[in-house]
Amino acid sequence: DAGVTQSPTHLIKTRGQHVTLRCSPISGHKSVSWYQQVLGQGPQFIFQYYEKEERGRGNFPDRFSARQFPNYSSELNVNALLLGDSALYLCASSLGQSTTGANVLTFGAGSRLTVL
Amino acid sequence: AQSVTQLGSHVSVSEGALVLLRCNYSSSVPPYLFWYVQYPNQGLQLLLKYTSAATLVKGINGFEAEFKKSETSFHLTKPSAHMSDAAEYFCAVSVSYSSASKIIFGSGTRLSIRP
Repeated sequence: DAGVTQSPTHLIKTRGQHVTLRCSPISGHKSVSWYQQVLGQGPQFIFQYYEKEERGRGNFPDRFSARQFPNYSSELNVNALLLGDSALYLCASSLGQSTTGANVLTFGAGSRLTVL
Repeated sequence: AQSVTQLGSHVSVSEGALVLLRCNYSSSVPPYLFWYVQYPNQGLQLLLKYTSAATLVKGINGFEAEFKKSETSFHLTKPSAHMSDAAEYFCAVSVSYSSASKIIFGSGTRLSIRP
């Protein structure tokens, strides 16, 4: 079975540019979450989408946006890139909305963004 | 607010020695706790999870963790380290609020294994 797939795996952008990262969840999973992992730190929650609706948002500026499509895949968009946006962006999927009990997150390998 | 604190950003043990990675949690309600592992240039893999069914939780690759409410701890252990255990380990807690649910991660502990 295919796991969570993310694309691209690596990309380099310059300050002020825009980036779109893509995520395909495990088949049957309806929830997708996005996390940002800056080098040397733990992942930080950005968004949760469930059934195509935004259900939660972390402490990130409005330059960050996302959406979930009818097939439950998702895109993360970041506008006006800053040097500090350089990070590994992780996508995770789960069957349901909750992260408790039997409903665990399965993570993809991530998209590593470098902003110059 | 729920949170986790990992003690020690880097732990080094000899191959075959006991592995102990420390995690303390802060929660006003019974927490759902996790340990994830991250190998270089990879995503996060779930090692084990605590869901209040049992205080001693066994995970993959020989790891286990014990939930101690009196100490607010959820330390990760493995009796005998293997070279393949070298990785970054994250303790995490689940937080649910209104219509959303998220995982809050600790800052991570890098485990090195000496031959």
